Amino acid sequence: SQTIHQWPATLVQPVGSPLSLECTVEGTSNPNLYWYRQAAGRGLQLLFYSVGIGQISSEVPQNLSASRPQDRQFILSSKKLLLSDSGFYLCAWSAGQGDTEAFFGQGTRLTVV
Amino acid sequence: GEDVEQSLFLSVREGDSSVINCTYTDSSSTYLYWYKQEPGAGLQLLTYIFSNMDMKQDQRLTVLLNKKDKHLSLRIADTQTGDSAIYFCAESWGSGAGSYQLTFGKGTKLSVIP
Repeated sequence: SQTIHQWPATLVQPVGSPLSLECTVEGTSNPNLYWYRQAAGRGLQLLFYSVGIGQISSEVPQNLSASRPQDRQFILSSKKLLLSDSGFYLCAWSAGQGDTEAFFGQGTRLTVV
Repeated sequence: GEDVEQSLFLSVREGDSSVINCTYTDSSSTYLYWYKQEPGAGLQLLTYIFSNMDMKQDQRLTVLLNKKDKHLSLRIADTQTGDSAIYFCAESWGSGAGSYQLTFGKGTKLSVIP
């Protein structure tokens, strides 16, 4: 069966420090991968999506970047965190060809202090 | 752009029915979804409905879609304390076979009173 792993579960980082959140998917190949952010008092916002290795699309301008070095690995990064980067980050995957369901990781709660 | 609105809070008594409402703006939405988020956890798909359907029932869940008014609702029959969570309405958009992008509402926090 397919599973999605996301870590760490919680993270407290100082302003200006770098960030790396990792997400891996098992049990499927060539998944579509997504990073969403849930900020306090706001809905979920799509940050990045990827349909293949090295293919990253960004939905909103921001301080973050994403990379997909392997088929089932998706990384969210920042060189210098801002206070406004605090939030709950969710990785998700879906099968290709417009499948109807996305499966989410457990999320990472990031607090920038 | 796309926008999904839903009320932020709902409180019901155990055993009663819960109805969570959602409105959306994108008339080209293909699928509409209800996701459940329990405390400290990721999202779990509860159910979805294709945009050419009016109703979908799945055990205690009933989804109603009024495409003319762009209104979606989720009814939970016989609500249990385990149903306490945040419920997100979402619509899918984006083009191409390889894309799957969701626009989410802010979530409705359902509190079930024993």
